[in-house]
Amino acid sequence: DSGVTQTPKHLITATGQRVTLRCSPRSGDLSVYWYQQSLDQGLQFLIQYYNGEERAKGNILERFSAQQFPDLHSELNLSSLELGDSALYFCASSANGGTGGVFGPEAFFGQGTRLTVV
Amino acid sequence: AQSVTQPDIHITVSEGASLELRCNYSYGATPYLFWYVQSPGQGLQLLLKYFSGDTLVQGIKGFEAEFKRSQSSFNLRKPSVHWSDAAEYFCAVGAHSSASKIIFGSGTRLSIRP
Repeated sequence: DSGVTQTPKHLITATGQRVTLRCSPRSGDLSVYWYQQSLDQGLQFLIQYYNGEERAKGNILERFSAQQFPDLHSELNLSSLELGDSALYFCASSANGGTGGVFGPEAFFGQGTRLTVV
Repeated sequence: AQSVTQPDIHITVSEGASLELRCNYSYGATPYLFWYVQSPGQGLQLLLKYFSGDTLVQGIKGFEAEFKRSQSSFNLRKPSVHWSDAAEYFCAVGAHSSASKIIFGSGTRLSIRP
């Protein structure tokens, strides 16, 4: 158990809909990262939040957005869903917010949310 | 450009046999290197990491990896595999400054022959 909790584990929705994925980081971790894993794209970094603020952005579509709340949990919002958005969405957390430090850049991953768009 | 290559998409080994999974990287600075494992239906778990120092790194579950700068490689090894090692293995390279800059390889799927 990595200590990172993601809900729900599975989600099936129709095209055009909007969903929210939730992530609770490990206790004490300030950084939350979202990744998308699909068969054709592999594991892609979407976005990072550190202590409530956006820290880094990767290959995240404009239809997607995220936020990190004061209690450090994070939500990834996916809207106007398309068939191609079907993927496994991972959340990861780390103590390191990108400023260096003794913890290094390793991140601990949750079990993921499998999104199926039909 | 930074990249990670795992040349083997799928490997099958017999239980009890030795294992080596290949990873080659291209990185402009001193790399931080990682191996993750993803069991079916699970998230990624960190097996081991290399930042500096001894180039032979020990990880969990009996895995080790060797950093070879001259070959730009960070191959994962295990002397004797168990059926429970069947999973997808990802090599990754990153900068110390941020985990968001970790680049993952495409993965190698390991199957274990009874």
